[in-house]
Amino acid sequence: GAVVSQHPSWVICKSGTSVKIECRSLDFQATTMFWYRQFPKKSLMLMATSNEGSKATYEQGVEKDKFLINHASLTLSTLTVTSAHPEDSSFYICSAREAANTGELFFGEGSRLTVL
Amino acid sequence: QKEVEQDPGPLSVPEGAIVSLNCTYSNSAFQYFMWYRQYSRKGPELLMYTYSSGNKEDGRFTAQVDKSSKYISLFIRDSQPSDSATYLCAQGGYNKLIFGAGTRLAVHP
Repeated sequence: GAVVSQHPSWVICKSGTSVKIECRSLDFQATTMFWYRQFPKKSLMLMATSNEGSKATYEQGVEKDKFLINHASLTLSTLTVTSAHPEDSSFYICSAREAANTGELFFGEGSRLTVL
Repeated sequence: QKEVEQDPGPLSVPEGAIVSLNCTYSNSAFQYFMWYRQYSRKGPELLMYTYSSGNKEDGRFTAQVDKSSKYISLFIRDSQPSDSATYLCAQGGYNKLIFGAGTRLAVHP
């Protein structure tokens, strides 16, 4: 199946710094990518929908200035957690839908962020 | 009320048992129903999906949707220790997926 790669898979940072997480579709073009946040023993919470070449659509309650999303190309979307705080510590997962496919989503392996 | 409800478990079964995982949903607008498997510290991977009602079988896995009762089920036959993971149900349309909380399954030898 199609491959979605996330980087880094694990990051620790100090409070107040910004962290960028990349999501790449390796063997297909993704017009739409999604960013999720997952807490331990909790469901995946959709944060935003990222469309190539346009602004991301954020879900209610997600701070746009806190979680900056850029989808500059058909194979790359980035999530930047700005001025991170310990409460931002979580598992962030991206998914991508193939441009030619109306069904299946392919998920990255996730990025675990720990803010000290 | 959550849009997709799923018992988080954990569910522990012996190897070879038949496992039944269930979810209920409240919004009838979305017609796609999916089951994802997620191993520890990994992203989810799609197991099966169905459109609208009915059953779908793939090897040891059977997905079932009952739209009259708004019930989604995944059955695993002859469960193996390698099936130990968290199983997430999801309901969605083209650009939106709503996940259940996930059920943690442990299959012991």
